[in-house]
Amino acid sequence: EVQLVESGGGLVQPGGSLRLSCAASGFTFSSYEMNWVRQAPGKGLEWVSYISSSGSTIYYADSVKGRFTISRDNAKNSLYLQMNSLRAEDTAVYYCARRYGSGSGPLDYWGQGTLVTVSS
Amino acid sequence: SYVLTQPPSVSVAPGKTARITCGGNNIGSKSVHWYQQKPGQAPVLVIYYDSDRPSGIPERFSGSNSGNTATLTISRVEAGDEADYYCQVWDSNSDHLSYVFGTGTKVTVL
Repeated sequence: EVQLVESGGGLVQPGGSLRLSCAASGFTFSSYEMNWVRQAPGKGLEWVSYISSSGSTIYYADSVKGRFTISRDNAKNSLYLQMNSLRAEDTAVYYCARRYGSGSGPLDYWGQGTLVTVSS
Repeated sequence: SYVLTQPPSVSVAPGKTARITCGGNNIGSKSVHWYQQKPGQAPVLVIYYDSDRPSGIPERFSGSNSGNTATLTISRVEAGDEADYYCQVWDSNSDHLSYVFGTGTKVTVL
């Protein structure tokens, strides 16, 4: 069974940093492209970042470019999101999601999410 | 950047058909995926590549995509279908690559 379990969320002050983790199991993690998607309270889904299966190709949403860094450790079956210079508008539930196939494939499995709250 | 527009809400009686639209410039040339999200839960993929259904998704869920509009159709609506629905595409035509989600539609079963 495919499982994605996020951790690392919490309360952080504006300007602070946080590192999210996503532990994957039930599939060959190193073969899949991965993403982070977030959802602010009461709002819609917002894609945050993408990383290829090898980690060699990375994309970011404009809203987080230069502040967030996505990475992965295929030996540990883990995905990460380093978030720096956090702002109130980064407050959201952060989901990791697996990409099915390649090219324009969908996000076929999602974790349950971890809540990040940026507030003083 | 590419924009996907959905109606904020759709109301439907049990047993009837709900149609949720997703508008985007020449969206028919892209692959559209649909997600269902119930309160407090993670999104679930219900339609991918315009009209394919993942295993475990009822045949009542179907999709189409042409021109400037993609449509998710839920036939014989049940109370359990009440949720938020999001369309999504992979935008490879702008100056950078990204996933784009629609604005979301809340489906209410009357």
